[in-house]
Amino acid sequence: DGGITQSPKYLFRKEGQNVTLSCEQNLNHDAMYWYRQDPGQGLRLIYYSQIVNDFQKGDIAEGYSVSREKKESFPLTVTSAQKNPTAFYLCASSIGGSLEGANVLTFGAGSRLTVL
Amino acid sequence: ILNVEQSPQSLHVQEGDSTNFTCSFPSSNFYALHWYRWETAKSPEALFVMTLNGDEKKKGRISATLNTKEGYSYLYIKGSQPEDSATYLCAFQRYQKVTFGIGTKLQVIP
Repeated sequence: DGGITQSPKYLFRKEGQNVTLSCEQNLNHDAMYWYRQDPGQGLRLIYYSQIVNDFQKGDIAEGYSVSREKKESFPLTVTSAQKNPTAFYLCASSIGGSLEGANVLTFGAGSRLTVL
Repeated sequence: ILNVEQSPQSLHVQEGDSTNFTCSFPSSNFYALHWYRWETAKSPEALFVMTLNGDEKKKGRISATLNTKEGYSYLYIKGSQPEDSATYLCAFQRYQKVTFGIGTKLQVIP
């Protein structure tokens, strides 16, 4: 079945450590996204990528980094520079482009990061 | 940061009642407006993506309208059922950037 796989589901990290969250899709989608959710807040955009080897900062990119070396993969690194990394992280993808329906987002199950 | 506002933030309705939520967004450089339903312990699921001013979409008891000139969209649920309980998210798309509102949390009381 096609879909988005995020791993790990739960992750604990000590302060000062970098951690990488994995996002893999087998939907042949061009566009991929990373969002963060905090209690009482909506989904906030961290980074997005329209195509391989290209990505743009979202609204809260500070302290995060991404890469898009393959179409199916869009890993997110939470660096030690991120001041409040404890959150729920969601990855999403879409076909991309201008046709109606091409921009529907498909979401992964999410990764919950806790900094101890 | 694009300002996408949703109201109300939470809502309790009795089973069988009809209800509606509002999403307001910037009216400039509009590309698409999305609605998603997010149930507890699940991933958000798409309801509608609308691109044209005046668009109306319907899926079962749920429908949505779009006004891009004034920057708002309404989501309607007719005859609410307990299984409609979820958070409803709207998202504004400008080019490939998709920005979400905070959501409306709906609780349908049996």
